[in-house]
Amino acid sequence: AQTVTQSQPEMSVQEAETVTLSCTYDTSESDYYLFWYKQPPSRQMILVIRQEAYKQQNATENRFSVNFQKAAKSFSLKISDSQLGDAAMYFCAYGSSYSGGGADGLTFGKGTHLIIQP
Amino acid sequence: DTGVSQDPRHKITKRGQNVTFRCDPISEHNRLYWYRQTLGQGPEFLTYFQNEAQLEKSRLLSDRFSAERPKGSFSTLEIQRTEQGDSAMYLCASSSLSRGALTQYFGPGTRLLVL
Repeated sequence: AQTVTQSQPEMSVQEAETVTLSCTYDTSESDYYLFWYKQPPSRQMILVIRQEAYKQQNATENRFSVNFQKAAKSFSLKISDSQLGDAAMYFCAYGSSYSGGGADGLTFGKGTHLIIQP
Repeated sequence: DTGVSQDPRHKITKRGQNVTFRCDPISEHNRLYWYRQTLGQGPEFLTYFQNEAQLEKSRLLSDRFSAERPKGSFSTLEIQRTEQGDSAMYLCASSSLSRGALTQYFGPGTRLLVL
């Protein structure tokens, strides 16, 4: 079974600065997907960024980028120019890839609570 | 696309009662997933459907839980004889196999409190 570990229960960053959230995972599969989801207080889960394991290039979405280290099974999220609206719980998630394509049930970490200091 | 919707958003029930939740996925999404999220934890996978077929069930899905997706559109999750340990947020998500099924889009969840 796959596991996802987020070792930082809470992180705090000054507005406009950069913060990195850590995630490690354990799997015996070679083909899979990794995701970062954001869950603002009392609001629904939103996809921030995703990475296909077969791609060597790190994914980037505007101010959000990942550092994907497949051999180390590490998948960190970097948020540049932090904004007040970035405050939320951030979850790292793992999804298996089957021959039929796509991820099935995701395995989530426990989350990191990101605080943005004005 | 309208997003994934769930109903009700909140449910308070007494121990031993049955409850049913509904999820409407993004239209034309053929995969639908149910997760449970307890306070301070990440979501835990319960089950998923591809069209009307239930393809995978987690060991978390006890005999008191049943899910259906009769016409491959909306889905229901029923919990029979609720227990206090069932108190959680129940999340629904959907994805499109035709678009690679890479991303699951989540609904707002149904928060269940069992007294």
